Amino acid sequence: ETGVTQTPRHLVMGMTNKKSLKCEQHLGHNAMYWYKQSAKKPLELMFVYSLEERVENNSVPSRFSPECPNSSHLFLHLHTLQPEDSALYLCASSQGLAGLYTGELFFGEGSRLTVL
Amino acid sequence: AQKITQTQPGMFVQEKEAVTLDCTYDTSDQSYGLFWYKQPSSGEMIFLIYQGSYDEQNATEGRYSLNFQKARKSANLVISASQLGDSAMYFCAMSRNFSSYKLIFGSGTRLLVRP
Repeated sequence: ETGVTQTPRHLVMGMTNKKSLKCEQHLGHNAMYWYKQSAKKPLELMFVYSLEERVENNSVPSRFSPECPNSSHLFLHLHTLQPEDSALYLCASSQGLAGLYTGELFFGEGSRLTVL
Repeated sequence: AQKITQTQPGMFVQEKEAVTLDCTYDTSDQSYGLFWYKQPSSGEMIFLIYQGSYDEQNATEGRYSLNFQKARKSANLVISASQLGDSAMYFCAMSRNFSSYKLIFGSGTRLLVRP
């Protein structure tokens, strides 16, 4: 079992649905991230939270809405998605943003999203 | 603009042999970090190894070593004594400076280890 847990692991939704992805980290970290991994494209950073404050919104469409209620939980609220939003959504955490000095991002196993 | 290039979409290696996964990068920054991550079929990205641009020695972590050639802007991953469990996607990534959280990832290389 990893220190970062993502639910659900698989999600199928229609374009008019509203759903949420959940991420929970058990590592005591204070920075959390959402990444998108599409087929045949490099991993894309979407959002970054540090100490529960959003520090990065990487030009993500407003149909994706993140929420970080505390340092252990991160949500990605989904609304009116498009088929091209189908992808693996990965959550990660680190001990402070500077934790990337050693590259130690800790990832969950991802939520596989299919938009019909 | 920063960019990571992994030119090998897929590779095979025989169990117990060594394999090199290629990674080249493009940056105008003086300070940057280079990383390798492994992604097995479960989906989780696992950190393997890190190299700072000012590190003079190549990084090593167990069976993993990073062959850093700064002038050529390459950061190849060498896996020694391959194991069946090494079969996975491998991603090279770069940060713009030592504390940047904006990792830029390559497109990955799928490694299959043959018994």
